[in-house]
Amino acid sequence: GAVVSQHPSWVICKSGTSVKIECRSLDFQATTMFWYRQFPKQSLMLMATSNEGSKATYEQGVEKDKFLINHASLTLSTLTVTSAHPEDSSFYICSAVPGTGGDQPQHFGDGTRLSIL
Amino acid sequence: SQKIEQNSEALNIQEGKTATLTCNYTNYSPAYLQWYRQDPGRGPVFLLLIRENEKEKRKERLKVTFDTTLKQSLFHITASQPAESATYLCALGASGGSYIPTFGRGTSLIVHP
Repeated sequence: GAVVSQHPSWVICKSGTSVKIECRSLDFQATTMFWYRQFPKQSLMLMATSNEGSKATYEQGVEKDKFLINHASLTLSTLTVTSAHPEDSSFYICSAVPGTGGDQPQHFGDGTRLSIL
Repeated sequence: SQKIEQNSEALNIQEGKTATLTCNYTNYSPAYLQWYRQDPGRGPVFLLLIRENEKEKRKERLKVTFDTTLKQSLFHITASQPAESATYLCALGASGGSYIPTFGRGTSLIVHP
């Protein structure tokens, strides 16, 4: 149980392109979803928290207009990297929890490796 | 400033031995601590949760301790197996603020057959 599917698993595109990443909870309703960015051998860096039906809460230093997050339903959140540039290349991972967080375990997708040429 | 520290050097052990991984923190009032396993190119997988008022938690061959005086958590895998080679992340949730945990950078464990 508690499966989270993230798609696509990898994407290569040209600079200036917008890229959409989907995160779905397959067997539970995800009230809260998180989006992370991870560099090689580094920790997960929280980018934003999204709650179904409301605007995402972005961490300090994360550009809202650059990383658009939509949590349209209890099973789907999307991250759109707008006008991507090479410095946006990274490993993006989503996670979901059934409630509002607290100490509940996060259920992670398998990440999306984004490479901008 | 707040810090979560995990040994950046890989831990190499022989199959069948006990692996012990360390997570130290500073300037936190922890409410709980979680441990996750992450394989290369994959998302983390939750393993264990321990709360601030708990000293020890076990799950099969896994054991976590939490010492709020030393500001440290230890993660043990007894009778470790090569398939348990992975990066292990600790994540700390602070009390009195955001409930969202902050992750350490993880320690790589390599279990040799």
